[in-house]
Amino acid sequence: DAGITQSPRHKVTETGTPVTLRCHQTENHRYMYWYRQDPGHGLRLIHYSYGVKDTDKGEVSDGYSVSRSKTEDFLLTLESATSSQTSVYFCAISESPGGNTGELFFGEGSRLTVL
Amino acid sequence: GENVEQHPSTLSVQEGDSAVIKCTYSDSASNYFPWYKQELGKGPQLIIDIRSNVGEKKDQRIAVTLNKTAKHFSLHITETQPEDSAVYFCAAEGDGKLTFGQGTILTVHP
Repeated sequence: DAGITQSPRHKVTETGTPVTLRCHQTENHRYMYWYRQDPGHGLRLIHYSYGVKDTDKGEVSDGYSVSRSKTEDFLLTLESATSSQTSVYFCAISESPGGNTGELFFGEGSRLTVL
Repeated sequence: GENVEQHPSTLSVQEGDSAVIKCTYSDSASNYFPWYKQELGKGPQLIIDIRSNVGEKKDQRIAVTLNKTAKHFSLHITETQPEDSAVYFCAAEGDGKLTFGQGTILTVHP
């Protein structure tokens, strides 16, 4: 299994509070991604990174920010959580953009509930 | 941006039957189409992929076909087994990012 660790794995929080999810990899892959998974919507890209301090928005980036200060860590922050951000969040890594010369390796997910 | 539509959303088959999941995509520039399998409580894992210069690819009981003209691709699983029960996602790569379909919940009944 690819060395990807997401933390926390489960979190319950209240509307308006800040939340940070962490993705840590031991594979030294350049590309890292945050997806959210919701019934009927599949996996939707929130933000991605193509190197240290290089990040860009995905299709559902509103209300989220990210940071990558080291190759191995990619943080996803919800500045002020809302109930619509209740979801399962997956981190993924790859050696190539979009995994087009290899594959995306996914973490085991972080389930976030916003009350 | 890329848009990927996946059907059906749920699929129920008897063990030994075949299962087919279909996807369409919108960006004619996309040239890489992977399929991922997600087991309960886990992250998705790549099971097979196909590139635009190939029309069909097989790996044991799994095959994927691609029609670039019509912009659709399909996953075929033959001789299904209970352990094939999972959520399956198709995806298309465009502009260095993967866009996923909505997912298909496959249930194989013994």
